[in-house]
Amino acid sequence: EIVLTQSPGTLSLSPGERATLSCRASQSVSSSYLAWYKQKPGQAPRLLIYGASSRATGIPDRFSGSGSGTDFTLTISRLEPEDFAVYYCQQYGTSPPGLTFGGGTKVEI
Amino acid sequence: QVQLQESGPGLVKPSETLSLTCTVSGGSISSYYWSWIRQPPGKGLEWIGYIYYSGSTNYNPSLKSRVTISVDTSKNQFSLKLTSVTAADTAVYYCARLGDYSVKDWGQGTLVTVSS
Repeated sequence: EIVLTQSPGTLSLSPGERATLSCRASQSVSSSYLAWYKQKPGQAPRLLIYGASSRATGIPDRFSGSGSGTDFTLTISRLEPEDFAVYYCQQYGTSPPGLTFGGGTKVEI
Repeated sequence: QVQLQESGPGLVKPSETLSLTCTVSGGSISSYYWSWIRQPPGKGLEWIGYIYYSGSTNYNPSLKSRVTISVDTSKNQFSLKLTSVTAADTAVYYCARLGDYSVKDWGQGTLVTVSS
């Protein structure tokens, strides 16, 4: 089973700054199988990025995803007030089949 | 974009069975994969399992012995049963639609508390 480790646990930044979030897998992950989500308190998560770098419908272009193999990155180019939230990465595994989530990174002011 | 709505008891006694239903609107359940995901209070996300409209399933190995997910295409619903619950099963339970190996759409979530 592939384990996803997200770092840092908490990122303290100001509006307008750039945020770089890391997701490291214990084994190589196909780029097609890596996704990122944003979750605000009391809300369901929302898909941001799928296939490591494809933005989901309605996601602004300040969000970008990159990486391959075991190292993936979510970048928020200029933080807006609504971007302060918890971010999760997720991978789809084939053996056994299923989804695994990272532990999350909190982006705080 | 489909809408998903979870329904079921918010309180379940220890050792009993947790049962939830997800109603899908704005689209047919007869395509895509459908999933249950949970989140204990203050913690991260845990995938429970998924089902295809045909009825084929895959479950999280850590929960497999206690989980059953089923689908009712006539009602555009799918369901979760989790047996022998303990306090560790207290969580917000989300139903969701999968696509492109990711979770495309989420329900609003429902809190299920396990307590006597």
